[in-house]
Amino acid sequence: SQELEQSPQSLIVQEGKNLTINCTSSKTLYGLYWYKQKYGEGLIFLMMLQKGGEEKSHEKITAKLDEKKQQSSLHITASQPSHAGIYLCGADGRSQGNLIFGKGTKLSVKP
Amino acid sequence: DAGVIQSPRHEVTEMGQEVTLRCKPISGHNSLFWYRQTMMRGLELLIYFNNNVPIDDSGMPEDRFSAKMPNASFSTLKIQPSEPRDSAVYFCASSPGLFAYEQFFGPGTRLTVL
Repeated sequence: SQELEQSPQSLIVQEGKNLTINCTSSKTLYGLYWYKQKYGEGLIFLMMLQKGGEEKSHEKITAKLDEKKQQSSLHITASQPSHAGIYLCGADGRSQGNLIFGKGTKLSVKP
Repeated sequence: DAGVIQSPRHEVTEMGQEVTLRCKPISGHNSLFWYRQTMMRGLELLIYFNNNVPIDDSGMPEDRFSAKMPNASFSTLKIQPSEPRDSAVYFCASSPGLFAYEQFFGPGTRLTVL
């Protein structure tokens, strides 16, 4: 079965610093989703990547899918306290139609 | 649109009691997913439906768990009897279809079994 590994598990950065979160799959990714979760709340969709080498940006967040489609990275530029939360990557279980999620990366941003 | 609606938001019950969690998906969405989230195991898919039909329930931990979707606008997840290890946040999500679609998550139900 497909597994997703996220790194780091947790991250504390100073406001204004850049950071990167990685998501590695044990199998080829047919679709890679990034979500953000604040404590006590549901998941909020950020971006979806499908093609090898694809890159998408929204405000100060950029997500990339490598050419081999087994790894994705989420990069935040000039982090702000509003970026704090748990970031989860999810993979499209191609043969099943469901999503498999990584354990998440907890991000804290110090003002 | 109001988004995915879950009720109750919080549930505290005693071991052995029956618990029913409810979900109303976004209108027009054909797929519905039930997840459980804990610190130890992260976000786990329990069961999902497409056009009201259960597709895969292999994530349901035990026979104590059951889920139904009697129509396109309502689903329930039932635990009977409940146990302390069932304590978790349960999320419902819906999407327009099964493949290559964003899933929209509800706010979750925080279940505590004493």
